[in-house]
This record gives sequence, structure tokens and C-alpha cells, in this order.
Amino acid sequence: EVQLVESGGGLVQPGGSLRLACVASGFTFSDYWMSWVRQAPGKGLEWVANIKGDGSDKNFADSVKGRFTISRDNAKNSLFLQMNNLRADDTALYYCLKDFQGYWGQGTLVTVSS
Amino acid sequence: QVVVTQEPSLTVSPGGTVTLTCGSSTGAVTNALYPYWFQQKPGQAPTTLIYDTTNKHSWTPARFSGSLLGGKAALTLSGAQPEDEAEYYCLLYGGRRVFGGGTKLTVL
Repeated sequence: EVQLVESGGGLVQPGGSLRLACVASGFTFSDYWMSWVRQAPGKGLEWVANIKGDGSDKNFADSVKGRFTISRDNAKNSLFLQMNNLRADDTALYYCLKDFQGYWGQGTLVTVSS
Repeated sequence: QVVVTQEPSLTVSPGGTVTLTCGSSTGAVTNALYPYWFQQKPGQAPTTLIYDTTNKHSWTPARFSGSLLGGKAALTLSGAQPEDEAEYYCLLYGGRRVFGGGTKLTVL
């Protein structure tokens, strides 16, 4: 059974940083593209970034390019999102997503506020 | 930046049929964009109903089906149930991924 468990969310001040993690199980993690998707309160889904199975290719939404980085540790079946220079409009529930076939985690909440 | 369009809201009667669509600002949606469809109920994480245009998960009710229709991706619900009331999102793959704005489906 595919499972994705996110962690690392919390309250951070504008301009601050946060690192999200997602631990995967139930599939061969290194074989698959993985994404981060976010949802601001009361809003729709927004794709944030993704990374190829071997980490050799990455893509970012324009809204986060230059501020967020995505990485993975295949030995630990883990996906990461490093978020720097956070803004109020980054406040959202952040989901980890296995791209192929679309398996979702339950999300971790990031709140950017002073 | 690609814009993916969905109907903001639709209403279907219980037992009725409704089709939700997903269009792209860059032209026709094809299988090469691997359309996905997700269902999200209030307070819950999204779940994937359809992937790669037509493929279903084991948990996808048989009344849902995916297709291409008139240059768009389509999600058809045949025999709507009250529990199908939810927000539905499509996603297109093209290097970057892009979600549609979502369709709020009311079963009434």
C-alpha cells in the first residue's frame, strides 16, 4: 500500500525558512517523479515543484522559483521541500504527491505570519 | 504560463449524468498531457479518480469515467450520488504540472 507522510510544517515569520519532508512507503521510491502541491485556505490546488526519480531533473512553479528547492534522499525514501524567503501568500496546506497514478499524503500546514 | 480551465460550478440531479471538462490555453488537450482528475471533499485531502485520461484506481466508483471530448479532457459522472458532491480538479502534465481552478459539483 502506498503511503506518503508529510512533516515539517508550522508557523514561521515572513522572510523565514522551513523544510518540509515526506516519507514514502509501499513502492520503489527511486523509480518515480514526486511533486509538492499546496492549497491555500479556501483556495484551489497549486502545483509547486517536482523532481525526477534519480533527482536529475526538477521543475518549479513561477510563484516559488528562486525561493524553494526540491530534493530527495532515495536511500531514506524521503522527499524534501526547502522553502526560503517565505511570504504570507505561501500559507497553505502542503501535500506530497507521487506523480504516477496520483497518490497523496495528508498534508502539512505552513503558516507564514508575524 | 499554461492556464487550465474548468467550469466553476455544475449541478446534477441524483441519478443524473454530468460531464466536467478541462481545457488548456495552449490548444487541444491530448493524451500526451496525461490528464488527471481528483476529487476533494471539505476538510479532506484530494483523492485521484482518473489518471492518464481514462485509467481508474481500485477505489474509483464505476460511475466515473474519463475521456477526451472536443479538445478537452472530460470527467463524466453517470448516476450521480449525494456523496459525489465535492470539488473536482484536473491536472495536466507538460514538464510543469498545472491544475485547473476546480469545479464545485452540487448534487441536488
